[in-house]
Amino acid sequence: AQSVSQHNHHVILSEAASLELGCNYSYGGTVNLFWYVQYPGQHLQLLLKYFSGDPLVKGIKGFEAEFIKSKFSFNLRKPSVQWSDTAEYFCAVNAGGNFNKFYFGSGTKLNVKP
Amino acid sequence: SQTIHQWPATLVQPVGSPLSLECTVEGTSNPNLYWYRQAAGRGLQLLFYSVGIGQISSEVPQNLSASRPQDRQFILSSKKLLLSDSGFYLCAWRSRVSGANVLTFGAGSRLTVL
Repeated sequence: AQSVSQHNHHVILSEAASLELGCNYSYGGTVNLFWYVQYPGQHLQLLLKYFSGDPLVKGIKGFEAEFIKSKFSFNLRKPSVQWSDTAEYFCAVNAGGNFNKFYFGSGTKLNVKP
Repeated sequence: SQTIHQWPATLVQPVGSPLSLECTVEGTSNPNLYWYRQAAGRGLQLLFYSVGIGQISSEVPQNLSASRPQDRQFILSSKKLLLSDSGFYLCAWRSRVSGANVLTFGAGSRLTVL
């Protein structure tokens, strides 16, 4: 089975700091990659996705992620975080072999201090 | 537009009691449906998914079962709850966003087993 690793479990930043959250996956074939976000008290929602083409994908609220196939990575970035970015972030993979399955990482809690 | 409903939103049950969590999707037909469990520090664990009525795939051997009696209805059940079944249960359906398959989540059901 595919696995997804998020190495940062809890990140604390000040506003305007830059953010990078790591995500690595284990599957070597064709992959679709996602970042989801869960703001306090809200549903999980899609932040951005990669399924083909330009490996640098842009999502909502100024977030972007880069797919590096050689490193099996899909790290999430934002140049300048805001207090409203405080949330839990989940990386997910949907891979060839069975595109019915979506596997998630353990999540990273981001606290942005005003 | 498509919407996904889960109920109940919260549930407190004694050990050994039965469980039934329901999920329904509106505005689409023949969706792939999913049950995940979210536990603190462990991310989202895929429990079951279904590609059609009566078709259930189980990811993890456990005390839970799933059923899909109707096209847009997905039910998570247990005959006898364990303490370890406590958690936040999320239903999702697979939708198309900009040509890619993504998951859209419901609001979740929080289960506490005492």
